[in-house]
Order: sequence, then C-alpha cells, then structure tokens
Amino acid sequence: DAGVIQSPRHEVTEMGQEVTLRCKPISGHDYLFWYRQTMMRGLELLIYFNNNVPIDDSGMPEDRFSAKMPNASFSTLKIQPSEPRDSAVYFCASSTLRDRGNEQFFGPGTRLTVL
Amino acid sequence: DAKTTQPTSMDCAEGRAANLPCNHSTISGNEYVYWYRQIHSQGPQYIIHGLKNNETNEMASLIITEDRKSSTLILPHATLRDTAVYYCIVRVAYTDKLIFGTGTRLQVFP
Repeated sequence: DAGVIQSPRHEVTEMGQEVTLRCKPISGHDYLFWYRQTMMRGLELLIYFNNNVPIDDSGMPEDRFSAKMPNASFSTLKIQPSEPRDSAVYFCASSTLRDRGNEQFFGPGTRLTVL
Repeated sequence: DAKTTQPTSMDCAEGRAANLPCNHSTISGNEYVYWYRQIHSQGPQYIIHGLKNNETNEMASLIITEDRKSSTLILPHATLRDTAVYYCIVRVAYTDKLIFGTGTRLQVFP
C-alpha cells in the first residue's frame, strides 16, 4: 500500500483565495483525521470522520474551514477565504480499529503558505 | 488541552537506551497512553500504546506505573535515526481523538 496520500505537497496562495487540500486514506481504513501543525500551536486535530461521516469537528477554527469525505477513498479540506494565519502544515491520517488499537497512519503533509 | 507533561528536550548517546518520561496524573481509568514520534518535516509515526500493563514491540517498550499517573518510553538501543520529537498522548475516553502536546525533542549523538 502506498500509505496516506496528500496533495498538493506545497501550496502558496494569496490572501482571500480558496485553497483545497486533498487526502486519500489507506485502503480499508474507516477513520480519517485532519490535523494542522504550526510552531505556535503545535499539532492540532481539526476534524475526523468515521465511515465517511464527520464525528467531531470541534477543532475546526472557524467557518472559513470545511471538510468533506464523499467516499471512503477521498477527503478534502477547504479554506475559503484563506488568510495568512492559516499558513501551516496540514496532515491527513487514517486508521482502523482492527490495527493495533486504532493506530493512525499519517500522510506527508501539505505545507500551505498564504501571502 | 494536552493532558500530559514531558521534558522539552533530552540527549542520548548512540547505542544507549533512551528513557523518555511522561506525566499524565489526571488520566482516567479507561484512557490509553499512546506514543508517537515525528522526524523532522514528516508526519507523526505511531510507536506504541498501553492501558495498564507494560507493553513491548519491535520499536520500543512502554512502562506504565501502577497508579497510571506516569509512563516511560524506552528505546533500548538508540540510533541516530531515532532523533525526533516524541509525543506522549492520552487518548480521550470514548473517542478516537488524540490530543498532541509539545513533546520531547530527543537528540541522539554519536
């Protein structure tokens, strides 16, 4: 398996633009997590899904952020409009209860820079 | 908020055991302790987890005190590739949420 796939790996955009980050979880995994990492705030959980259904979105910073999981093999995190403070590395992770107590497998991340 | 306390940084000589402590004094009876590590610029990597008993796998050992208020991750023979930030995490009860703290930056030197 190729592991969790994220695209793009790097994104540079201007303030006010819409940004869409993409994630393909490991096949067979039924949990998907979106995290954000910054120097100031560390690694924060934004939202997670189980069987394509959002379970907890309490970490989503504000209405400018939205996440969807239309099927078991694809999820998006959208920021509209983007702001400089959204600059961070965004990680996607997937897991299944059948694996070692729901071990989360992380993707390589998307480094977002908003100018 | 993270429910764990870890030292900010530690050093370890290559080939020696690295013992990384973690305090989780407010842990509930049904909350698991997880350890992940993050090598520079990569996504975090699972190491091990436990509830009450000590655990060992191919990567490390996890020692949990009897009162469960603290634990120690042991890397038996540290290598330069073990240089990373190590996160001790208490998984929120009845959820699948992991709340990452600030972690311990482990530097393994030759």
